[in-house]
This record gives sequence, C-alpha cells and structure tokens, in this order.
Amino acid sequence: GAVVSQHPSRVICKSGTSVKIECRSLDFQATTMFWYRQFPKQSLMLMATSNEGSKATYEQGVEKDKFLINHASLTLSTLTVTSAHPEDSSFYICSARDAGYNYGYTFGSGTRLTVV
Amino acid sequence: AQSVTQLDSHVSVSEGTPVLLRCNYSSSYSPSLFWYVQHPNKGLQLLLKYTSAATLVKGINGFEAEFKKSETSFHLTKPSAHMSDAAEYFCVVSDNTDKLIFGTGTRLQVFP
Repeated sequence: GAVVSQHPSRVICKSGTSVKIECRSLDFQATTMFWYRQFPKQSLMLMATSNEGSKATYEQGVEKDKFLINHASLTLSTLTVTSAHPEDSSFYICSARDAGYNYGYTFGSGTRLTVV
Repeated sequence: AQSVTQLDSHVSVSEGTPVLLRCNYSSSYSPSLFWYVQHPNKGLQLLLKYTSAATLVKGINGFEAEFKKSETSFHLTKPSAHMSDAAEYFCVVSDNTDKLIFGTGTRLQVFP
C-alpha cells in the first residue's frame, strides 16, 4: 500500500531558529500534499495545500512567510517553520494524494515540534 | 459548506462490548466520508471510506460504518471492542476541492 514517510518524528529547537520537516511519498507520485497542525487533544487543522511545481495555497490565518512549503518533486514536500517561537510548538502532519486518487489520502506519522 | 460533527468527545467501553462512535455530516452534495484512527503521537490510519457506493462500508480491524442520507449520519461501529482499539477517532468529510474537513475527534477508552 501507499506509504508516506515524515521526518523527523520529533524535534526540539531554540526560539528564533528554523526547522524543516520533510514528507516523502515512498511508492507513489504525490501530486498534492497537505500540511496539518494539531494542538494537544484537538483535531487537525489544514494549514496549506501544495501541488507539485506550484506555490502552496494557504488557509486563512496561516502565515505563508512563517510556514514555508516547497513541493519541488512528485515525491517530496517540505515545511519550514521559520523563526520559530514557543507558540509554534505543535504536532505537524502531512498527507499526500496521487493524481489518480488510487491511494486516497495517505498520512505521515507526524512531527512533534517543541520550541524552547 | 461541508462539516462534520462528532457527537461524543469521549466514549468508554469494556473489552468485548460493542463500540458506537457517532458522526453527523453536513454537505450540499453527495459527500465522501472517512473514518481515521490516531494512536498517541502517531499519524492517521484510514479505517474506512464511503464514496457513494454501498451504504454499509466495512473497514479494517472489524470496524464498519453505515451512510444514512436521511439522517445525515455516518456512525462507526464494531461488535466487540479490543484493548488495542483505544485511540482517537476522526470522522472526516471531503469537500469539492478535495480538502479533508475533520471532526473534533472522539477518544475511545477500552477497559478490561
């Protein structure tokens, strides 16, 4: 079946630094990738949608200059949290979908970001 | 606009008893509906999905859900709970732009 690998699973960084999270589709071409944020004991909130080779579409209220998304290839999308602050601490999850919708939506295992 | 409402934030059952997790949806057209499970600090795993085929959908691990248009419901059931079923469950609807809209989740506890 379809697998999405998300890395790192856990990261701690200092305030003011940037952190990059990778999301890779291992056995299919992900034409569309989604990035979600999940606060403790809450649901997933869609941050942005990215299509390969084009700019990401951000949801209302999500700062595109703070959460940089790059979807440079059909198997890789990255989310960079720039100038991280403690309020950016959260669980970030990516999801990928292929063009033919053969695999539906496949989720990565998530990244726990802690900004200290 | 599409939305889902998970009626219970927390459900507790004893091992071996039935599970019912309730979900109601709102959609202006025929929706695609999903149930996902999330174990602590993990990603999401698809349990089952409804995409306008059979109204009774069978998923993995013995779960199933029934799409009832008249009631705008898509409740998740399992005849007999197992300890490993303890997790967070999300009811999800797909809108016409293929975005997934998540419910607020139901935490399932299973007692021995």
